[in-house]
Amino acid sequence: EPEVTQTPSHQVTQMGQEVILRCVPISNHLYFYWYRQILGQKVEFLVSFYNNEISEKSEIFDDQFSVERPDGSNFTLKIRSTKLEDSAMYFCASSEAGTGGPGGELFFGEGSRLTVL
Amino acid sequence: ELKVEQNPLFLSMQEGKNYTIYCNYSTTSDRLYWYRQDPGKSLESLFVLLSNGAVKQEGRLMASLDTKARLSTLHITAAVHDLSATYFCAVGSNYQLIWGAGTKLIIKP
Repeated sequence: EPEVTQTPSHQVTQMGQEVILRCVPISNHLYFYWYRQILGQKVEFLVSFYNNEISEKSEIFDDQFSVERPDGSNFTLKIRSTKLEDSAMYFCASSEAGTGGPGGELFFGEGSRLTVL
Repeated sequence: ELKVEQNPLFLSMQEGKNYTIYCNYSTTSDRLYWYRQDPGKSLESLFVLLSNGAVKQEGRLMASLDTKARLSTLHITAAVHDLSATYFCAVGSNYQLIWGAGTKLIIKP
């Protein structure tokens, strides 16, 4: 069964360092997302991406964050200068269509746990 | 601002019992999703509800959507230990999902 894969599964970094989280969405999906979940808390939307551009982003997704689809398979999230409060589990997701109708179901990867010291 | 509220946030129950988790949301939407999360794991899609009156069932779980009441329910029938997890509802809004806080369900043998 096709799945979303994420790397690394866990990354520890120092405050102020740059981090890149990588995702390979399901191959025929067109919409890509990043969400995050601080331990034990609710899931928060960061950004959605379609047709090689950001379609929507949250207030969390400030200038420190960027996304890129550098080739036909990878979808990356970059945090330019990490802060302590960026520590969380970051989930990549993809969907065949937008969340507005059939095919809009999101499939999530296993997550990348980011620890900022 | 769209808000999604789940209740209860924590539920401990015995095997064999029935219970319902409620998901209320604050603005018009006809896209409601239920996900399951095991500790330290990813989010597994359970149900996608895309119209008023939609009802879906999978095993001991049944989800329904009332868009007029802005309410979705996840009903658990004759609970078994394997259903212990955190259950999230999420409402579709443009290109994103707005999530409830989750219901941590513990089912005791």
